[in-house]
Amino acid sequence: AQSVAQPEDQVNVAEGNPLTVKCTYSVSGNPYLFWYVQYPNRGLQFLLKYITGDNLVKGSYGFEAEFNKSQTSFHLKKPSALVSDSALYFCAVSPVGGSASKIIFGSGTRLSIRP
Amino acid sequence: NAGVMQNPRHLVRRRGQEARLRCSPMKGHSHVYWYRQLPEEGLKFMVYLQKENIIDESGMPKERFSAEFPKEGPSILRIQQVVRGDSAAYFCASSPTGGHTDTQYFGPGTRLTVL
Repeated sequence: AQSVAQPEDQVNVAEGNPLTVKCTYSVSGNPYLFWYVQYPNRGLQFLLKYITGDNLVKGSYGFEAEFNKSQTSFHLKKPSALVSDSALYFCAVSPVGGSASKIIFGSGTRLSIRP
Repeated sequence: NAGVMQNPRHLVRRRGQEARLRCSPMKGHSHVYWYRQLPEEGLKFMVYLQKENIIDESGMPKERFSAEFPKEGPSILRIQQVVRGDSAAYFCASSPTGGHTDTQYFGPGTRLTVL
């Protein structure tokens, strides 16, 4: 079965420090991977995606993610955290094969940035 | 260019009533997806539609739930005879082509509360 795991329910980081939000995946074939952010009482906002090519993907708001095939990971990173980055982050995979329909989401990681 | 629109944003129903949730995709998008999010959980795929067609409803409960995306007008997610367990946030997303690598853009969601 194809799946996405976010091993940390919560990540706490001081403002100005680098942050990492972890994601691992299990898919057959080449994965298409996404990161979304959700602010309170809002919908999901697209941050970035990996389809093919360079393993380091740059996205919105200074975020980037590194695709690591050997470790089946797609961790989200930012060099210097802002208080405004505090939100719920979801890693997701678009399964290859079958109906090109659903995105499978991880359970989410709550990122809290303290001033 | 307006984003994905959903209404109502909040909906309160008593057990046994019907709930109708509406979604207007982004301009130029003809592929619509519905997801359900329970509190503190990730999004779970429900159904994928193109204009006048249901493409994948593998995540939709077999009873009481239905979805449509008519030629004219918004997509509708309909829940008949609601129960307390239907209380959740329902998100709609749209994409231009429906391919595996497509980015899905999400609406702000409808929060359904069943009393």
